[in-house]
Amino acid sequence: DAKTTQPNSMESNEEEPVHLPCNHSTISGTDYIHWYRQLPSQGPEYVIHGLTSNVNNRMASLAIAEDRKSSTLILHRATLRDAAVYYCILRDNTNAGKSTFGDGTTLTVKP
Amino acid sequence: NAGVTQTPKFRILKIGQSMTLQCAQDMNHNYMYWYRQDPGMGLKLIYYSVGAGITDKGEVPNGYNVSRSTTEDFPLRLELAAPSQTSVYFCASSSHSYGYTFGSGTRLTVV
Repeated sequence: DAKTTQPNSMESNEEEPVHLPCNHSTISGTDYIHWYRQLPSQGPEYVIHGLTSNVNNRMASLAIAEDRKSSTLILHRATLRDAAVYYCILRDNTNAGKSTFGDGTTLTVKP
Repeated sequence: NAGVTQTPKFRILKIGQSMTLQCAQDMNHNYMYWYRQDPGMGLKLIYYSVGAGITDKGEVPNGYNVSRSTTEDFPLRLELAAPSQTSVYFCASSSHSYGYTFGSGTRLTVV
């Protein structure tokens, strides 16, 4: 399974935008880029996913580089409730949808 | 809509005991997964299933077994529990093209 690389931690101020980066230089053509977040003592929660084009939903936006070797999760206005561990993973739907989770990025939001 | 239900939420086992972690989903998803998460780490895939009667090993299958007799249920069996199996266990399900839905986890301690 292709791997992803994320910074261990990031900080943001409340109500400011947050850009969480992810590198996936060995991504294959059939890999989808997924983002999840995990609040303390909870299971991971789906945030967004995409293949090639940028994606928006009510939670966040996903910007995918043209060569697909990196992506950025954008939280438009961080709130204290967005403090969590964010995981960027690659999911190959031709391979039973298995994914490898790294250690993610711990986002701290300061009031 | 219940989503993915895991039972029990907490369990303490003695070394050498066995137990079954239960996982049920009501979304008619074909794909189901078991992950474990050690403190401060990402998730590691134990076993997965692409449909009833079909299972396969993930990254860390040793000491575990699974079965998938129905679409809804995917129990994880621990035989001869060891302290190294102390972890939080997450079950997840998905359809072919969408993200994972995770359960709330089972926190297992082996003493």
